[in-house]
Amino acid sequence: GESVGLHLPTLSVQEGDNSIINCAYSNSASDYFIWYKQESGKGPQFIIDIRSNMDKRQGQRVTVLLNKTVKHLSLQIAATQPGDSAVYFCAEPFNQAGTALIFGKGTTLSVSS
Amino acid sequence: EPEVTQTPSHQVTQMGQEVILRCVPISNHLYFYWYRQILGQKVEFLVSFYNNEISEKSEIFDDQFSVERPDGSNFTLKIRSTKLEDSAMYFCASSKDRVGASQPQHFGDGTRLSIL
Repeated sequence: GESVGLHLPTLSVQEGDNSIINCAYSNSASDYFIWYKQESGKGPQFIIDIRSNMDKRQGQRVTVLLNKTVKHLSLQIAATQPGDSAVYFCAEPFNQAGTALIFGKGTTLSVSS
Repeated sequence: EPEVTQTPSHQVTQMGQEVILRCVPISNHLYFYWYRQILGQKVEFLVSFYNNEISEKSEIFDDQFSVERPDGSNFTLKIRSTKLEDSAMYFCASSKDRVGASQPQHFGDGTRLSIL
């Protein structure tokens, strides 16, 4: 079955709010996670990644949190902008050979002005 | 910033015909991938390629599919006899190292394949 999934298919926020997008994974052996953003008509765009030896990593306006105890991953976007509107996917290695990614179903983030 | 580029952006093909999708990975990347995304669904792994051979493939990547790196810059996906269910967005990706080595994959903007 699918080892990576998201809690909510859609999330609507106001411009300037902080957004939190969640992801649950089932493979406790997974040691690396990536968040991608996919805008309409485009390919997945790398946002941020985290290894399992970390529980938090920050980028520009984004933070990823990893809770290995409950196998939960979240992406926080600060001061959400209309340009952040997209589908967000979490992904992890398909298996220990580590060449393929398995994607979750995605959360559609809609930002209104 | 270097990008993965894919051509064509849209390919329309009659069922049963062969189609070749083309990709130019990021130049210093060593691992290459094809994924597909059926409309409204999640991105699915097809195949990975390293050192001129397939590293991994999924159940989707059957005998109708093949990949090739014909020269130092291009990476192609061939579907020999297309079926209606092959209609999807096909994404090429590349990376410096395996995702198991904590290296992210970078994706192109895809080729929309429509089978009639």
